Amino acid sequence: NAGVTQTPKFQVLKTGQSMTLQCAQDMNHNSMYWYRQDPGMGLRLIYYSASEGTTDKGEVPNGYNVSRLNKREFSLRLESAAPSQTSVYFCASSVRNYEQYFGPGTRLTVT
Amino acid sequence: GQQLNQSPQSMFIQEGEDVSMNCTSSSIFNTWLWYKQEPGEGPVLLIALYKAGELTSNGRLTAQFGITRKDSFLNISASIPSDVGIYFCAGQLNAGNMLTFGGGTRLMVKP
Repeated sequence: NAGVTQTPKFQVLKTGQSMTLQCAQDMNHNSMYWYRQDPGMGLRLIYYSASEGTTDKGEVPNGYNVSRLNKREFSLRLESAAPSQTSVYFCASSVRNYEQYFGPGTRLTVT
Repeated sequence: GQQLNQSPQSMFIQEGEDVSMNCTSSSIFNTWLWYKQEPGEGPVLLIALYKAGELTSNGRLTAQFGITRKDSFLNISASIPSDVGIYFCAGQLNAGNMLTFGGGTRLMVKP
């Protein structure tokens, strides 16, 4: 099992560009999450999907959209990237809401 | 919103020493989790605690769910260089709620 995989690992964008971060899990988990991690701060929830077909906003959803494509895949889209979105993005999944398993992260820089 | 405060923010210790860190909340949680994040990787779940007063071990790691349900503690015995990383606590009120993460404790071990 690969667990949670994320692509790309690194990305540099110019302000105003758009991109989609991909996440997939092979653990048959119902719930999936997107977090961002900034220096000196913990993980902040952007969006989550409790089950296939549902998505909800987390703590910091502004500037992002998500799609739960199927049970395995949950993507995060930045429509018009801003320097404030420079961060490390983690995808996670869980059977139940608390034991979350994380991917390796995508390091995004917006110039 | 809920806040989790982790202390200390960083520790620089000698190999072989024991380590203690804690996490406190302004409100109660019914589940506490401890994660470790190594450089360039996503957080990995170490220990999950589900009952006030519970003490759980995972090798050299021991974590406790505080009796007030507003705190949790993680101890590492006989530290080794591979213990280096950032340790995060996370709390959850109920299964339907999202995790709240602390800001992390950065551990550095001198061989």
